[in-house]
Amino acid sequence: QVQLVQSGAEVLRPGASMKVSCKSSGYTFTTYEINWVRQASGQGLEWMGWMSGSNGDAGLAQKFQGRVSLTRDTSINTAYMQLSDLRPEDTAVYYCARGDYDSSGDHFYFYMDVWGTGTPVTVSS
Amino acid sequence: SSELTQAPAVSVALGQTVTITCQGDSLKTFYASWYQQKPGQAPVSVIHYKDIRPSGIPDRFSGSYSGNTASLTIAGAQAEDEAVYYCNSRDSSGNYVLFGGGTKLTVL
Repeated sequence: QVQLVQSGAEVLRPGASMKVSCKSSGYTFTTYEINWVRQASGQGLEWMGWMSGSNGDAGLAQKFQGRVSLTRDTSINTAYMQLSDLRPEDTAVYYCARGDYDSSGDHFYFYMDVWGTGTPVTVSS
Repeated sequence: SSELTQAPAVSVALGQTVTITCQGDSLKTFYASWYQQKPGQAPVSVIHYKDIRPSGIPDRFSGSYSGNTASLTIAGAQAEDEAVYYCNSRDSSGNYVLFGGGTKLTVL
C-alpha cells in the first residue's frame, strides 16, 4: 500500500539545523508532489512548502523562505526537508504528505491524500 | 485574499447531521479538500476533488460548494467522527497551499 515513512524524533538546540526524510513506497514517486506541513502542540496545521516529485520544482510559504530547503532523491523515492536556524517556536510535529494538483473544467483541485508518520521535533536549550 | 475561514467549533447530537463550512476567495478557483484529525494522529483525507471520498471513508461524509464557500456534511454523525476538521486548497495563483484554522467537532 501507499506509505510515507518519516525519520525519527529529534531534540535540537536553538540555532541548529535539522533534516527530516520522507521515504515513499507503493506508488510512482515522480507522479506526485510532496508537501511539508507542521503542527505545534494544540495548534492547527501550518503548510511549509511543496516539491514536485518529477522535476524538483518547489514552492515555500513566505514565512519559511530563507530557512527551509526542500530536496529529493528519486533513486530512493525519498524527499527531504531541511530547516535551519532553529528556534524554540519551531517545536512541532512535522509531516510530509503526498499531494496531487491538476485542473478539471473551470476549477483546479489540490489535495494531500497520504500523510507521513510524523516527526516530532523539540528545540530547546 | 489568501485565507480560508472556518468556525472554531461546532457540536452535533449523535445521529444528527452537521455541516462544517470553509470560506475563501481561492475556492472560486480551487476545489477544497477536507481532513479529519484525531488527537495524536496524522490528518486523514475525507473529501477531495470537490466531493470524492477516499477509499475507507464512510458515505455519511459529503462535500459541496456555493460561490466561495465549501461545505463538509456528516449525515448521521457518530461518536468516532469527533475530531478537528481542516479545509485546504491552494491560493488563487496556485503557488501556495492554504489551510483553514480547523473546526473542532463535538458529538454529544
